[in-house]
Amino acid sequence: GENVEQHPSTLSVQEGDSAVIKCTYSDSASNYFPWYKQELGKRPQLIIDIRSNVGEKKDQRIAVTLNKTAKHFSLHITETQPEDSAVYFCAASTAFMDSNYQLIWGAGTKLIIKP
Amino acid sequence: DAMVIQNPRYQVTQFGKPVTLSCSQTLNHNVMYWYQQKSSQAPKLLFHYYDKDFNNEADTPDNFQSRRPNTSFCFLDIRSPGLGDAAMYLCATSRARGGTQETQYFGPGTRLLVL
Repeated sequence: GENVEQHPSTLSVQEGDSAVIKCTYSDSASNYFPWYKQELGKRPQLIIDIRSNVGEKKDQRIAVTLNKTAKHFSLHITETQPEDSAVYFCAASTAFMDSNYQLIWGAGTKLIIKP
Repeated sequence: DAMVIQNPRYQVTQFGKPVTLSCSQTLNHNVMYWYQQKSSQAPKLLFHYYDKDFNNEADTPDNFQSRRPNTSFCFLDIRSPGLGDAAMYLCATSRARGGTQETQYFGPGTRLLVL
């Protein structure tokens, strides 16, 4: 089955600098890769996602890149701000239209923005 | 404008005393999920409903049951809570299980404390 590894587990960056979080997956059939942000005590919220038919997607300061050959995808946050501090989860899924469908989650990265 | 609602937000129960958590949605999504999340970990899928079709994860303990009486509501029953069941329980919905409509939207969660 699918396995998703996420690195680093903790990332501390200076405010204004960029942050990069990387994930690898094992199942070449996976075709949907969302990123969720979870602030302390709150729900996970989707911040960006990408499908396997594109290599990069950008939304203001956030971008995600996907390398299908190497089976890895990355989250890039530019010009980091204090409100970016949170735990970020990557995930991968295979679009099985049956009971075996599941979104496989990475272990999470705690992002700390230093003022 | 709440889309996925969970009640209660905090639940305290005694060891072995049954407890029910509820989730409702205004999105008219076909799929509803229950996740368990412990501190600093990724959400762990317990089960999901695709319409009325119930799908149990292989490692979900028998102590956990679920009901979905209609499209809008889904319940998580913990028959005999143990200390290890103390966690945040997250409900999520998606329009479909795959394709372009599989994005999951989370409720605020119910934090369960077992005494």
